[in-house]
Amino acid sequence: SQTIHQWPATLVQPVGSPLSLECTVEGTSNPNLYWYRQAAGRGLQLLFYSVGIGQISSEVPQNLSASRPQDRQFILSSKKLLLSDSGFYLCAWSTQGNTEAFFGQGTRLTVV
Amino acid sequence: DQQVKQNSPSLSVQEGRISILNCDYTNSMFDYFLWYKKYPAEGPTFLISISSIKDKNEDGRFTVFLNKSAKHLSLHIVPSQPGDSAVYFCAAYRRGKDDMRFGAGTRLTVKP
Repeated sequence: SQTIHQWPATLVQPVGSPLSLECTVEGTSNPNLYWYRQAAGRGLQLLFYSVGIGQISSEVPQNLSASRPQDRQFILSSKKLLLSDSGFYLCAWSTQGNTEAFFGQGTRLTVV
Repeated sequence: DQQVKQNSPSLSVQEGRISILNCDYTNSMFDYFLWYKKYPAEGPTFLISISSIKDKNEDGRFTVFLNKSAKHLSLHIVPSQPGDSAVYFCAAYRRGKDDMRFGAGTRLTVKP
């Protein structure tokens, strides 16, 4: 069966520090991978999605970046966090084509 | 640009009654629609979906209706149960793309 792992579950980081959130998927090949952020009043905002290794589509201009070094690994990064980066970040995967997505447990990021 | 809209941030329903959650979209290219359920501090879980070639899909207590001409879909829960209390997100894909878009969510409270 397929599983998705996202870590850490919670993270408190000072302003200006770097960020690295990791997401891995097991039990499937060549998944679509997504990073979302849940923000008040805006629901789930799509940040990045990837349909293959090294293929990253960015939806929102910001100081975040994403990378897909392996087929089932998706990393969300920042060189310098801002206070406004605080939020609940969710990784998800789906099979190619229009299908349902499966989400990780999320990371609560607090930038202080 | 909010392409998927859920205009009701919250809904309160008595146990045993029908819950109707609404969703509107602006992009006529969307051809696959999904509903997700989310509890606090967890990732959303897939609930039910519908392809644009259909106008209704039913799964147990959950039914999704799609009105393409109005660019509107709705989720009906009958009968509503206290365990249904959660935030419900509407999501959409567009043909040939894998960037799933979400609405802002509706918080459903089912009172016993």
